[in-house]
Amino acid sequence: GEDVEQSLFLSVREGDSSVINCTYTDSSSTYLYWYKQEPGAGLQLLTYIFSNMDMKQDQRLTVLLNKKDKHLSLRIADTQTGDSAIYFCAENNQAGTALIFGKGTTLSVSS
Amino acid sequence: DVKVTQSSRYLVKRTGEKVFLECVQDMDHENMFWYRQDPGLGLRLIYFSYDVKMKEKGDIPEGYSVSREKKERFSLILESASTNQTSMYLCASSHRQRGTDTQYFGPGTRLTVL
Repeated sequence: GEDVEQSLFLSVREGDSSVINCTYTDSSSTYLYWYKQEPGAGLQLLTYIFSNMDMKQDQRLTVLLNKKDKHLSLRIADTQTGDSAIYFCAENNQAGTALIFGKGTTLSVSS
Repeated sequence: DVKVTQSSRYLVKRTGEKVFLECVQDMDHENMFWYRQDPGLGLRLIYFSYDVKMKEKGDIPEGYSVSREKKERFSLILESASTNQTSMYLCASSHRQRGTDTQYFGPGTRLTVL
């Protein structure tokens, strides 16, 4: 069935780069998404990538997509304490009716 | 700016009570969704709706129902609340554009059932 997998935790030092990885199963997904959830808040769309792209850059964020391996990653350059949050990877389901979310990666940034 | 609002940030109810969670979006989105979020389980889809008076079951609809009488409002109903429905409930909406389903989320309602 459809599934999205992420590692649960990542800990980095302020100023380092963070890389959050995700694997997905549905090769027909048109778009893949990264959402951020700060403590006590809802999910906020960070960025998304169209499936025919292999990279997208947006300021400190770089998304890499490897369609062959069904692997998606989010790189945050110069990680700040304000980046501490849960990051969710998501893909469209096969019917195209909803998103399937991973369980989320908790990023902890220490100063 | 897309805005999705939920009626309460925190709610405490007793077992057996009927509970209404309201969600309103102001961007004329066709699609609306209800999720619950639990530690270690991520987001799980309860119900969704593509149009007024239309609803579809998600992955975990048992114990819940929904209502969409107006395009901007999507209600989640717990007919008889139970302790295992203690959770964070997130509402989302999206505009069905070609090939994408970017969802915008409300701030969440943390429900505790005693």
